Amino acid sequence: GENVEQHPSTLSVQEGDSAVIKCTYSDSASNYFPWYKQELGKRPQLIIDIRSNVGEKKDQRIAVTLNKTAKHFSLHITETQPEDSAVYFCAASKTSGGGADGLTFGKGTHLIIQP
Amino acid sequence: EAGVAQSPRYKIIEKRQSVAFWCNPISGHATLYWYQQILGQGPKLLIQFQNNGVVDDSQLPKDRFSAERLKGVDSTLKIQPAKLEDSAVYLCASSLVIDNSPLHFGNGTRLTVT
Repeated sequence: GENVEQHPSTLSVQEGDSAVIKCTYSDSASNYFPWYKQELGKRPQLIIDIRSNVGEKKDQRIAVTLNKTAKHFSLHITETQPEDSAVYFCAASKTSGGGADGLTFGKGTHLIIQP
Repeated sequence: EAGVAQSPRYKIIEKRQSVAFWCNPISGHATLYWYQQILGQGPKLLIQFQNNGVVDDSQLPKDRFSAERLKGVDSTLKIQPAKLEDSAVYLCASSLVIDNSPLHFGNGTRLTVT
């Protein structure tokens, strides 16, 4: 089955700086890569996703890049703000013609924004 | 639109007892997932339904966990008997039956087994 590795487990950055979180996946058939943000005691919420036919996607201060050859993808947050502090999870899945397989998640990155 | 509803929000039981969780997905979402999230880890898929059929239950500990989705809407997840290592948040999620349709998560049920 799919295996997703995520690094680092904890990331502390100064407010206003950029943060980068990296993930690798094992199954070359995976073609959907979402990122979720989870605040303490709350549910995971989708913040951005990318499909395997796209190399990069951007949404305001958040961007995701995908390298299919190397089987890795990254989340980039620019101009970090205190409200960006949370745990971020990457995930991967593949579609099978009738819908998506369940997501395989990484172990998460605790992002701390220092004021 | 209303989100994924789950109950109860919290549950404390003793080991060897049984427990059940309930989930009501977003209206129109035919795919429903149950995930287990142990503290400090990412969610792990337990079971995936499409309508009332099981798509994937390869990671469900079937000797103690069971799940059903009668009528293809609400779902229940049961643990019997519970073990200490079952302490976790149980998340329900739903999605449309469309390739790469985003998963929408409920707030989860936090289970503590003592």
